[in-house]
Amino acid sequence: GPKVLQIPSHQIIDMGQMVTLNCDPVSNHLYFYWYKQILGQQMEFLVNFYNGKVMEKSKLFKDQFSVERPDGSYFTLKIQPTALEDSAVYFCASSPRVRAEQFFGPGTRLTVL
Amino acid sequence: GDSVTQTEGPVTVSESESLIINCTYSATSIAYPNLFWYVRYPGEGLQLLLKVITAGQKGSSRGFEATYNKETTSFHLQKASVQESDSAVYYCALGDLGTEGADRLTFGKGTQLIIQP
Repeated sequence: GPKVLQIPSHQIIDMGQMVTLNCDPVSNHLYFYWYKQILGQQMEFLVNFYNGKVMEKSKLFKDQFSVERPDGSYFTLKIQPTALEDSAVYFCASSPRVRAEQFFGPGTRLTVL
Repeated sequence: GDSVTQTEGPVTVSESESLIINCTYSATSIAYPNLFWYVRYPGEGLQLLLKVITAGQKGSSRGFEATYNKETTSFHLQKASVQESDSAVYYCALGDLGTEGADRLTFGKGTQLIIQP
């Protein structure tokens, strides 16, 4: 079936550095999402994105976070600067339209030291 | 905000026995949310198991069933006879539309299912 890819699978960085997580969504999907899962906790919604704009973000989506998808390339989540509490697995998802199934990537495990 | 509560795992069931994983939800921003069960098999990514968008309807897939019960705000996952290949982590999720009309999912913590041969 359709696959969402995420690069890298694991990223280790020092606190205060910038990190960019990359997502290759399903071709022709129009809606894009990021979710965050801290170890031992549930996956939580961060942000959704459509037509080049953030539609909605949760309270977890701090000012240090930003998303973009320039010219139909990767859908990215940038964190600048990173903090220790940003350590988590970040899942990207995409869907073709509203109220449709979201297809998830395998996740990027981010470790902030 | 919205919330989802599901059976705490791990849940261990013998092969060919029946299974129920409970899921209840609270939707504060939408009267009729979409309800989902997602599954993560060992070494694989999250994938949709089944989805129901209409209250009172039942969804089914791979022998699993779940009924959208608005009165009890529940969406329990059931299977009559489990197989070893059903060993996985199961996530109940609620989908609603935010203020801008785009989707967001609220997940439960996940239930690890272990099938004993």
